[in-house]
Amino acid sequence: DQQVKQNSPSLSVQEGRISILNCDYTNSMFDYFLWYKKYPAEGPTFLISISSIKDKNEDGRFTVFLNKSAKHLSLHIVPSQPGDSAVYFCAANNNNQGGKLIFGQGTELSVKP
Amino acid sequence: GAVVSQHPSRVICKSGTSVKIECRSLDFQATTMFWYRQFPKKSLMLMATSNEGSKATYEQGVEKDKFLINHASLTLSTLTVTSAHPEDSSFYICSAGTGINYGYTFGSGTRLTVV
Repeated sequence: DQQVKQNSPSLSVQEGRISILNCDYTNSMFDYFLWYKKYPAEGPTFLISISSIKDKNEDGRFTVFLNKSAKHLSLHIVPSQPGDSAVYFCAANNNNQGGKLIFGQGTELSVKP
Repeated sequence: GAVVSQHPSRVICKSGTSVKIECRSLDFQATTMFWYRQFPKKSLMLMATSNEGSKATYEQGVEKDKFLINHASLTLSTLTVTSAHPEDSSFYICSAGTGINYGYTFGSGTRLTVV
């Protein structure tokens, strides 16, 4: 039962353009969502998060949008840079279950110069 | 910000031996830490929740006798893979945190290879 899904395993974007990474979830009890960036053989690095009471959160080049009715969130990176190339995971949390996170499968982003 | 240290970063062991992985919160106290496992090109799967001073809570399908978790202090949790087999080879990651970022800071991970 995959409660958090990232249906695109990979995405290739030209430097300077916008990268849009998508994530869908099924559990309506999730109330906090996070995006992580991960390089091979390293732990995930936190990027940005959003509470279920909001629909948008922005931090520099990164913006996360949440559509609760569609159970969908997306991460926008603009402008994309070659250093953004990595695997991006979305994760969800149910505050009633403490800090454990349910992760999507990840999307590998490649930003080409 | 919260810093989580994980050691070792890489370990190779013989089949049948046991391996211990440490997860430390460096600048905060963590009553709860989490252990995840990642297979190649797969998502991170939660294995167990480590609770200081009490037994760990394991996710369904995770063998508690195979993956021993000890959370003896507020800054240290250990995961011991007992009687390791090649199928236990994987990337193991812990997480911890405080306050609003509870459980959201990850260690650097441990690559375990069982030969």
